[in-house]
Amino acid sequence: GDSVTQMEGPVTLSEEAFLTINCTYTATGYPSLFWYVQYPGEGLQLLLKATKADDKGSNKGFEATYRKETTSFHLEKGSVQVSDSAVYFCALSYSNAGGTSYGKLTFGQGTILTVHP
Amino acid sequence: ETGVTQSPTHLIKTRGQQVTLRCSSQSGHNTVSWYQQALGQGPQFIFQYYREEENGRGNFPPRFSGLQFPNYSSELNVNALELDDSALYLCASSPGTSDVSTDTQYFGPGTRLTVL
Repeated sequence: GDSVTQMEGPVTLSEEAFLTINCTYTATGYPSLFWYVQYPGEGLQLLLKATKADDKGSNKGFEATYRKETTSFHLEKGSVQVSDSAVYFCALSYSNAGGTSYGKLTFGQGTILTVHP
Repeated sequence: ETGVTQSPTHLIKTRGQQVTLRCSSQSGHNTVSWYQQALGQGPQFIFQYYREEENGRGNFPPRFSGLQFPNYSSELNVNALELDDSALYLCASSPGTSDVSTDTQYFGPGTRLTVL
C-alpha cells in the first residue's frame, strides 16, 4: 500500500538556519505530493504541493521538488524564523489507473520543528 | 483562511456511547473528507463524500459512518465508542475537480474527542 516516511524529529534550529526535512514515499500510482503544516492548537494548512515529476512547489520561502527517481519530496527553507515552529506533514494523494480516484491523503508521521531566537 | 468549520471543539464521552461530529465545508466545495489524528501521529483517512455519496473509505470499522447533505456539510458518526477512539477528528473540504488527487484539501480546526 501507499506510505510516506518522514525524517525522525524533533528538529531544533536557531533562527536563520537552513532547514531540510526529508520525505520519501511508496505508491503504486502517480501521486500528487503535499506538505502540510500544523501550528499548535490548529488544523492543517497546505504549505505547498507538486502534482507531477520534477515539479517544484514553493510558498513562504519553503520549497520541495518532486523527485520520481528517488521517490522523494524533501522540504527546504534557506533561513527559518521562530514563527516557522510547527509540525510538518508530508502527504501523498493519487489517481488509480482505473479512473475511480478519490483524494485520500496518506500522511507521514510528522516532524516537529522548533526554532530558537 | 480555510473557511472549513467544525463543531464541537471538544467533546468528552464514555465507552459505549455514540457521538456525532459536524463539518461545514468551504464555499464552492462539493467534497468532504474525514481524518482521525491520534496524539503524535499523522492523520489517518476515514472516508470521503462527494456530492452526498461515499467516495472512498479507509481502514475503519463500520461503526464509523457519515453523511453529506445537499449543502455539502457533513457529519461523522461513531457508535459504540472505544478508548482508542480518543483523537482529533479533522474534516477537510475540496473542490472536487476532474482529478481529485491534485485537489488541495482545506482542513478545519478539528474536534478533540476524549473517550473515558
